[in-house]
Amino acid sequence: EPEVTQTPSHQVTQMGQEVILRCVPISNHLYFYWYRQILGQKVEFLVSFYNNEISEKSEIFDDQFSVERPDGSNFTLKIRSTKLEDSAMYFCASNAWGATNEKLFFGSGTQLSVL
Amino acid sequence: GDSVTQMEGPVTLSEEAFLTINCTYTATGYPSLFWYVQYPGEGLQLLLKATKADDKGSNKGFEATYRKETTSFHLEKGSVQVSDSAVYFCALQAPTDQKVTFGTGTKLQVIP
Repeated sequence: EPEVTQTPSHQVTQMGQEVILRCVPISNHLYFYWYRQILGQKVEFLVSFYNNEISEKSEIFDDQFSVERPDGSNFTLKIRSTKLEDSAMYFCASNAWGATNEKLFFGSGTQLSVL
Repeated sequence: GDSVTQMEGPVTLSEEAFLTINCTYTATGYPSLFWYVQYPGEGLQLLLKATKADDKGSNKGFEATYRKETTSFHLEKGSVQVSDSAVYFCALQAPTDQKVTFGTGTKLQVIP
């Protein structure tokens, strides 16, 4: 089965630094997502992206966050100035049509640790 | 807003035991309901889903029935295997949303 690939698997950064988390969605998918899970808490939706635009975002996704599809294969999440509370596992996901009930394909996640 | 509550883990079972992981939800309207599974070192994978009341989702011996009257979607398996050891996430999606709302996950450990 095709896979969503995320790099790096672990990222350690200092508070206030910028980080970019990278994802390669499945090649024929058009809808892309970021979710995160703070240790011991729920997996939370951050943002969905289609046709080079954000289509939906949560209240977590404030001005410190941005997403980009810089080329035909990568999908990135940037955190401009990291805070301690940004420490979490970040999951990228994609699907073909963005339809309700459509299966989401997830990557294995990037564990971000902010010190 | 929409939310999902699932039983606390970890759940430890012996091989061939019966599994139930409880999940209840709060949502307006008629959401779709899902169980995702995360094996060690991997991403979340869709295990099964149900899109309307009384639907039963099933896959790999796992089942869950969409119960509108009790707002529940409990995951069951008659005989678990060591290979079922993973974290199981209950989730919902409202008809008009792209976002999926997840529970906290329940870790299952099956011992031989």
